[in-house]
Amino acid sequence: GEDVEQSLFLSVREGDSSVINCTYTDSSSTYLYWYKQEPGAGLQLLTYIFSNMDMKQDQRLTVLLNKKDKHLSLRIADTQTGDSAIYFCAENQAGTALIFGKGTTLSVSS
Amino acid sequence: DAGVIQSPRHEVTEMGQEVTLRCKPISGHNSLFWYRQTMMRGLELLIYFNNNVPIDDSGMPEDRFSAKMPNASFSTLKIQPSEPRDSAVYFCASSLTGETGYTFGSGTRLTVV
Repeated sequence: GEDVEQSLFLSVREGDSSVINCTYTDSSSTYLYWYKQEPGAGLQLLTYIFSNMDMKQDQRLTVLLNKKDKHLSLRIADTQTGDSAIYFCAENQAGTALIFGKGTTLSVSS
Repeated sequence: DAGVIQSPRHEVTEMGQEVTLRCKPISGHNSLFWYRQTMMRGLELLIYFNNNVPIDDSGMPEDRFSAKMPNASFSTLKIQPSEPRDSAVYFCASSLTGETGYTFGSGTRLTVV
């Protein structure tokens, strides 16, 4: 079945850039997403990208998609302590449920 | 809109007891999803409904789990009998066909002792 893999932890210093990586196996994926989960809260949609795009930028967030390698990344510029959270990569095809990775815990130190 | 509303926020129960988790999706959304989150397995899709009809329940762990959606504004996930390995955070999410992404509730943290 479909699988989404992420590294479990990332630690950065405040002001640096963070890059969170994800690989997926389903070549039919239509949409790829990044969600953020803060402690004790549900998941919040950060951004998404269609599979026919290579890059999407939204303020401090840059998503890069390498469809050939089935690799998705999320870059957070000027990382702040408030960005500390768990970041989930997810994918689906139109009309099917999202499949999530296990999440990457981002720790930002001042 | 108040978002997706789940209740209770926390539930502690004894092994063997019945547990019912509740979810109210966003008004107008026509798809509803139940996920379970654990440290070991991450976020697992349990079941999802479209227009109140169960579409995929292949993620439901076993017959002890059941889910219903009697109308567009309410869904339940029931575990009977509960076991310690059911301890997890259970999330409900909803979406509207044609829109990308889901809106998640805050989750129910279930502890079975």
